[in-house]
This record gives sequence, structure tokens and C-alpha cells, in this order.
Amino acid sequence: GQQLNQSPQSMFIQEGEDVSMNCTSSSIFNTWLWYKQDPGEGPVLLIALYKAGELTSNGRLTAQFGITRKDSFLNISASIPSDVGIYFCAGYSGSARQLTFGSGTQLTVLP
Amino acid sequence: GAGVSQSPRYKVAKRGQDVALRCDPISGHVSLFWYQQALGQGPEFLTYFQNEAQLDKSGLPSDRFFAERPEGSVSTLKIQRTQQEDSAVYLCASSFAGSGPTAFFGQGTRLTVV
Repeated sequence: GQQLNQSPQSMFIQEGEDVSMNCTSSSIFNTWLWYKQDPGEGPVLLIALYKAGELTSNGRLTAQFGITRKDSFLNISASIPSDVGIYFCAGYSGSARQLTFGSGTQLTVLP
Repeated sequence: GAGVSQSPRYKVAKRGQDVALRCDPISGHVSLFWYQQALGQGPEFLTYFQNEAQLDKSGLPSDRFFAERPEGSVSTLKIQRTQQEDSAVYLCASSFAGSGPTAFFGQGTRLTVV
């Protein structure tokens, strides 16, 4: 099935560093979402973006909805150990009810 | 309960066996989704219900996969004659009517076909 292009696939960073990951698509989406998934758990919604160009923050997380509606990025500032996990972007077009997910970015935070 | 509940958490099936995976959505949630997540991949859509109506089943990979939600609450995903390629985590998500894409996911059922 279709998946979004998410990069990087994995990241190893030092505690306290900032992190950036992005997602691109060949299709236009009306909504972009970012999820975090811990081992053995389901994805948990972090941020939802509803308008092209929108920049939204949730604590140390900041995400933007690209102007072309075909991309989005997520930044995490001042990373901490509990940020470890897999981050997924997801696009929603509205015409189809389902979410289309990226392949994920595995984040490891080193002490 | 407070969240989406799925059972069993883990299921090992011999190839050729039938399995049934259960999802209890958040009370009052009209929309219910099933996703399949292969190892190292993002979830992929299987099917969508609005109340008891299955409005989209375009993601079901074969006619061995069947989902139902007869009373508009609990849903069951059934896989007949399981194959090794069916091994994956099966995620259920639910959402309020009109809440768009902001669905809440359960912990998933990890199915291993041996």
C-alpha cells in the first residue's frame, strides 16, 4: 500500500540536542498528523495540522504543514530520554477516511 | 474503559488456522478503523466502520480477511486460513463522529503465524 516518504529512518542523538524529521508525499493531504509509538503500544497522537503553512507547537514539539500540502516536518527541542521511540507522520485527505502513514523514524537519545 | 482495548495482546497461530481479534472502542465513538502494521513499517489501513456499517474495506488484503461490528460498538477482525505473511500487529482505532482524522489507537494484537 501507499506510504509516505519519511526521513531519516533512524537517529542517534545526545540528550539535550534538537531533532528534526520530515515527511513528503506525491499526493496532497488536507491534514498532517504526527504520532509517537512506544514498543508494544499503539501510536499516540502528538500534533495535528489542518492548514497549509500552519506551524503548531506542543511543549518541546513543533510541527509544520508544508505550503504545497505535500510535506510536513517535526522538530523536537532539548531531547530527553523519554523521547525515545518511533515517530510516524500520517496524512489525511478527507475523501478517504483512513490515514496514510510514513515508515517511521526511530529515535534513540543517548545520555 | 478509558481507551481502546484490544484482545488478545498476543496470538500465535499455526498456518491454516482461523483467528479472531477483538476491539472494544472508546464508548460513544462512532468511527472504528483497523490497521495492519508489519515489522518496521507504519500502519496500513484495512477497513473502516461508521456505527455498524462497514463503509470502506478497500485495504483488506484478501478475501480471507473479514471484519464486523454488528451492534456498532465492539468489532472483530477475522482472518481465515492464516498464512505466514499475515504475521503483523493489528491495530484498532476509534474516533468521535466529525472528529476527522484524530483517532485513538489501541495497543494492538501481535499475530504470529508459524
